[in-house]
Amino acid sequence: GAGVSQSPRYKVAKRGQDVALRCDPISGHVSLFWYQQALGQGPEFLTYFQNEAQLDKSGLPSDRFFAERPEGSVSTLKIQRTQQEDSAVYLCASSLAAPGGEQYFGPGTRLTVT
Amino acid sequence: AQSVTQPDIHITVSEGASLELRCNYSYGATPYLFWYVQSPGQGLQLLLKYFSGDTLVQGIKGFEAEFKRSQSSFNLRKPSVHWSDAAEYFCAVADLNQAGTALIFGKGTTLSVSS
Repeated sequence: GAGVSQSPRYKVAKRGQDVALRCDPISGHVSLFWYQQALGQGPEFLTYFQNEAQLDKSGLPSDRFFAERPEGSVSTLKIQRTQQEDSAVYLCASSLAAPGGEQYFGPGTRLTVT
Repeated sequence: AQSVTQPDIHITVSEGASLELRCNYSYGATPYLFWYVQSPGQGLQLLLKYFSGDTLVQGIKGFEAEFKRSQSSFNLRKPSVHWSDAAEYFCAVADLNQAGTALIFGKGTTLSVSS
């Protein structure tokens, strides 16, 4: 079946612009995670959804970052007033259940802020 | 706080040679441990995981890892490396204190394979 998909794959934004990154999880997966991967680093947790409920947003670096999953399926990560330090690959992962459920990762969106 | 350390930033191995990638973790209880591989432009793919039981875990693509509680380690091994194994490898621990069990990753080890 289809895996996790993310769009766009690449995004270039000028500093100060707003961006929206989309994640389509595997159908039926309850849990959805967003991670940020800076160049040369491992992914870092941003936020977690169980169905439509955002249960943990402790990893969001600032109030410019906002995520939603209104119908418990597709999720959008929005970054307002982008800054250069926001440049990274944003990874989405979904899993059937937690704890310990295998997380399936999408290919990521590479965001470059100029 | 929970953390994962991968001491080797970059390793080069000859094709056909054996491989060991090191991973040390800091976690208060029995951890859930994972190894992922990331090829350029690709998402992370799970190689193997340890939750409990047998401390030697077999994974895909001929990889295995051994959980050693006394050393807080979960090293990844492969007896014979193929050129297609060249990629970035990440060790991760699941944070069971966090809702949804977010993964905490190490900084990764880049594997190059020479012919």
